[in-house]
Amino acid sequence: IAGITQAPTSQILAAGRRMTLRCTQDMRHNAMYWYRQDLGLGLRLIHYSNTAGTTGKGEVPDGYSVSRANTDDFPLTLASAVPSQTSVYFCASSPTGTSNTGELFFGEGSRLTVL
Amino acid sequence: AQSVAQPEDQVNVAEGNPLTVKCTYSVSGNPYLFWYVQYPNRGLQFLLKYITGDNLVKGSYGFEAEFNKSQTSFHLKKPSALVSDSALYFCAVRDGSNYQLIWGAGTKLIIKP
Repeated sequence: IAGITQAPTSQILAAGRRMTLRCTQDMRHNAMYWYRQDLGLGLRLIHYSNTAGTTGKGEVPDGYSVSRANTDDFPLTLASAVPSQTSVYFCASSPTGTSNTGELFFGEGSRLTVL
Repeated sequence: AQSVAQPEDQVNVAEGNPLTVKCTYSVSGNPYLFWYVQYPNRGLQFLLKYITGDNLVKGSYGFEAEFNKSQTSFHLKKPSALVSDSALYFCAVRDGSNYQLIWGAGTKLIIKP
């Protein structure tokens, strides 16, 4: 049982570089999400997609972009990384989006350090 | 503004004792409330939810939570703690306008043998 696969699991990146975090799910869920987790702040939503072909901005979207070309994949791109983007990033999915019942399935996370 | 508060950064409980992890919320309309658990270096896992009905909700691993509308609380409980319950616990509420989850900062639960 795979669920959600994130890659890479860990990455150190120089400031100013471009980085794409990959996320793939095999559950055929409609909705997908990217969160960042920072100590003392809980999870903050970066971007989401309620269905393939659509995306939306979350609480902290600046500096990040996403695309949802198909149901399974939801990559997160940092166009020009900055140290404040050092965080643990979690991809999640749920069967539905706009009628979200709140049961999200999470990947194992990608730890990103920007120097 | 809608929000979730977890007033305790850390809760320490002896194994076998009952545990409570606190959560209060502020939301317009009827709340959809959730608890998730995160084990070290892992993603979050869904534990339980309250949408409507009985105020006492039962979930995974023997956990339960009590919805209290007058106190706007949704505390997580377990009658007898296990060392393996040690983890980070997150409370969340669904935003009624965009259906996204609003998360508390998390409470670290430490169960000592």
